[in-house]
Amino acid sequence: DIQMTQSPSSLSASVGDRVTITCRASQGISNYLAWFQQKPGKAPKSLIYAASSLQSGVPSKFSGSGSGTDFTLTISSLQPEDFATYYCQQYNSYPWTFGQGTKVEIK
Amino acid sequence: EVQLVESGGGLVQPGRSLRLSCTASGFTFGDYAMSWFRQAPGKGLEWVGFIRSKAYGGTTEYAASVKGRFTISRDDSKSIAYLQMNSLKTEDTAVYYCTRVRVIVSDYWGQGTLVTVSS
Repeated sequence: DIQMTQSPSSLSASVGDRVTITCRASQGISNYLAWFQQKPGKAPKSLIYAASSLQSGVPSKFSGSGSGTDFTLTISSLQPEDFATYYCQQYNSYPWTFGQGTKVEIK
Repeated sequence: EVQLVESGGGLVQPGRSLRLSCTASGFTFGDYAMSWFRQAPGKGLEWVGFIRSKAYGGTTEYAASVKGRFTISRDDSKSIAYLQMNSLKTEDTAVYYCTRVRVIVSDYWGQGTLVTVSS
C-alpha cells in the first residue's frame, strides 16, 4: 500500500496568513492526488484533484502543486471559514489511502 | 444540485449484518462510479470501496480490511448505491460516507451515517 504522510499534523495561524501543508507519498503517484477539507462534525469537502485542479465552486485562494511523491496545499489568505482539518489522498492505485490529516487552528 | 443521502446506519451487534444506502439526485447516476469511505470516532478518513459505472463493467474494488465481508452494489434505476456489511466487527464502528466519483476521484460527499458495532 502507498503511505501518505502529511506535515505538519497541526498548525496555528492567524486570519490573513498564507498557509502551506505538505503531503508525501511513499512511492511515485504521478499527479493522482486529491485534497479534502473537513470541519468538525461535518462531511469532508473536495477541494483539489489531479494535484492542482480546483473542484467546481472552490475559491481560488486554495491551490495545489506537486507531482511524483511531494505535494503541497496552499491557502493564500486564511479566513475564519478555513479553520478545519485537511487531508490528502492518493488515487494512483488501490487501496486509495489518506494522509493522517493536518488541523489548522486559530492562533 | 448534486445530493447524496446515506441511510441505514445504527447500532448492531458484532457478527451481524447491516445494509447502507446512498440515494443520489441532481445528476445522471448511472454515468458515475461511486465510492464509500468511513471515519472511526476521532480518527482520519479510510477508503472502503468503489463501484464502477455499468459502462465500465460495474466492477468493484475493496480495502483489505473489508474485502470478503462488505459488498458494494448499485441500482441505477433507483439512483442508489448500497454497502452490504456482513460479519461486522467492533472496529467497523464509524461514520460511513458515500461519494460520487468523477475522473477516478471523489467530488461530492454525502452527510454520512453512523454505524456502531457493539454488544
